[in-house]
Amino acid sequence: NAGVTQTPKFRVLKTGQSMTLLCAQDMNHEYMYWYRQDPGMGLRLIHYSVGEGTTAKGEVPDGYNVSRLKKQNFLLGLESAAPSQTSVYFCASSDPSGGYEQYFGPGTRLTVT
Amino acid sequence: AQSVTQLGSHVSVSEGALVLLRCNYSSSVPPYLFWYVQYPNQGLQLLLKYTSAATLVKGINGFEAEFKKSETSFHLTKPSAHMSDAAEYFCAVSRLGSNYKLTFGKGTLLTVNP
Repeated sequence: NAGVTQTPKFRVLKTGQSMTLLCAQDMNHEYMYWYRQDPGMGLRLIHYSVGEGTTAKGEVPDGYNVSRLKKQNFLLGLESAAPSQTSVYFCASSDPSGGYEQYFGPGTRLTVT
Repeated sequence: AQSVTQLGSHVSVSEGALVLLRCNYSSSVPPYLFWYVQYPNQGLQLLLKYTSAATLVKGINGFEAEFKKSETSFHLTKPSAHMSDAAEYFCAVSRLGSNYKLTFGKGTLLTVNP
């Protein structure tokens, strides 16, 4: 049981390039989330999904898009990367019939130059 | 709306001393409260949670927290710090009807001195 996994672990992009971060969970959780973590800011919610085929905006959605085509996967896309998107990105999942907590992946460290 | 304030971005204690990390929350409805720990270059791991059962909650690694509604607080404590407790700690709040979204505090970095 791998829990929540994220691909890739590290990435360096040039301004204007695009990329997709992949999150996968094997716990059959309905809800999935993408956060970004910046020094001194805690974690901030980018987008989330309450089930396959659904997505919704979080606190800081601008510049990001997401898709949830399969229940176990949640993709985060950057169409035109900017230096302000340099951050550590975390994916999480939760089960509404469980204990309300979220389970986190190991993170992706993204640098945009 | 909900929010979390963690008092002290950096707390330093000696090995064997009491650990106290402060968290105050704001929520218009009864909250669910969590403490997560993040070791360097890792993801977040759940330490403990309050979901309207017992107000004193025990977690992993000897940590506990007490929900005090009158003070809107959920402070994290451990009687005796170990070197392995050095990490960043995040308090988070959620509530029924919010799709289990978490609002995090800015984090407290705990340093343990030998």
